[in-house]
Amino acid sequence: DQQVKQNSPSLSVQEGRISILNCDYTNSMFDYFLWYKKYPAEGPTFLISISSIKDKNEDGRFTVFLNKSAKHLSLHIVPSQPGDSAVYFCAASTIIIPNQFYFGTGTSLTVIP
Amino acid sequence: EAQVTQNPRYLITVTGKKLTVTCSQNMNHEYMSWYRQDPGLGLRQIYYSMNVEVTDKGDVPEGYKVSRKEKRNFPLILESPSPNQTSLYFCASSPSQSSYNEQFFGPGTRLTVL
Repeated sequence: DQQVKQNSPSLSVQEGRISILNCDYTNSMFDYFLWYKKYPAEGPTFLISISSIKDKNEDGRFTVFLNKSAKHLSLHIVPSQPGDSAVYFCAASTIIIPNQFYFGTGTSLTVIP
Repeated sequence: EAQVTQNPRYLITVTGKKLTVTCSQNMNHEYMSWYRQDPGLGLRQIYYSMNVEVTDKGDVPEGYKVSRKEKRNFPLILESPSPNQTSLYFCASSPSQSSYNEQFFGPGTRLTVL
């Protein structure tokens, strides 16, 4: 059973506009969330994370929002750049079962120049 | 250069022929993990290791074995591969056992079992 879901397999955005990638989870015990970015033929690389004690974390053009009551998080990229074109995975973990990580199915972002 | 390396990068084999995918990291990380990526399923954790000689099952451990005899190496062993183990495999490492650390991923190994 998929505990972390990314319901949009793909997303296309014009360069300079905002990209919003969404992630939903079912396990209320998750308390740490991460976003990874993956280019073809490479492994995922860490992008940004957020703890459940926060509802927002920002790093340059990337902001992650967490809505615990809705079990939903989103990644905002502003402004989007062609180099942001990649597959984005959200991941979750819980202190209750440490060291186990649950990933979503990924969203392929295309930024159109 | 700090990195996680995997070998081989591509492997085609036949059902039942034992194989090992190696993983090595040069960052002195305590934590290492194996994932498989399949279409529509994302990345799923197979096994992880919190330190030398300490390993534990992830979400999908059936059909796999691991060992952690040295801190830098974490090989993934398929004793009797089957076609449903055809997948893209990633090794990852992290500085400590904490769940609140980012993981560093290797480049992936694409395995095809005929």
